[in-house]
Amino acid sequence: NAGVMQNPRHLVRRRGQEARLRCSPMKGHSHVYWYRQLPEEGLKFMVYLQKENIIDESGMPKERFSAEFPKEGPSILRIQQVVRGDSAAYFCASSPGEPRAGSYEQYFGPGTRLTVT
Amino acid sequence: GQSLEQPSEVTAVEGAIVQINCTYQTSGFYGLSWYQQHDGGAPTFLSYNALDGLEETGRFSSFLSRSDSYGYLLLQELQMKDSASYFCAVGGNQGGKLIFGQGTELSVKP
Repeated sequence: NAGVMQNPRHLVRRRGQEARLRCSPMKGHSHVYWYRQLPEEGLKFMVYLQKENIIDESGMPKERFSAEFPKEGPSILRIQQVVRGDSAAYFCASSPGEPRAGSYEQYFGPGTRLTVT
Repeated sequence: GQSLEQPSEVTAVEGAIVQINCTYQTSGFYGLSWYQQHDGGAPTFLSYNALDGLEETGRFSSFLSRSDSYGYLLLQELQMKDSASYFCAVGGNQGGKLIFGQGTELSVKP
């Protein structure tokens, strides 16, 4: 059973370009989460999606960032007009369904390292 | 708001026991999780406590006291491969979102 897959693993963009990060959740998982991690820091929640729905986007910057999880295909985090401050590791996680009182386990992908030059 | 505090780094020797503490302030609380991350790689789930008390999983144990807003991860019989960053995280009342602490970097020395 393949784990969470993210691509690309490394992405270099010049200021002003667009970055597209892809995430394929584990088989059978319908909930996807995106987190951002700066060097030497913890993971910061960005957005929580289910198929075709954004459930919680309270961690997303109001401008330039968007996310989707279409009925078919991977979840995509899009960053338009990137700036140097967007340089970070972006992790995707998935879970099988509604969070239960017994577990909040999320399965993380290897991350995409975005470098903005 | 929501915040978690944990020590930034801990050093211990092989075979020893180490405890990593975590205190939290959250509006709504659904449990405390612990994740391990090696060298910036994929975080991996270690344990989860929804109720007060100790949960044991092999060499790792995790404890929660909801009245004190406090928990800890206990690692026994430390091995070199346990050198990693350890994050506590809380799940709030807004679905699956996890709020992470800043992480504790554990260095295990021979």
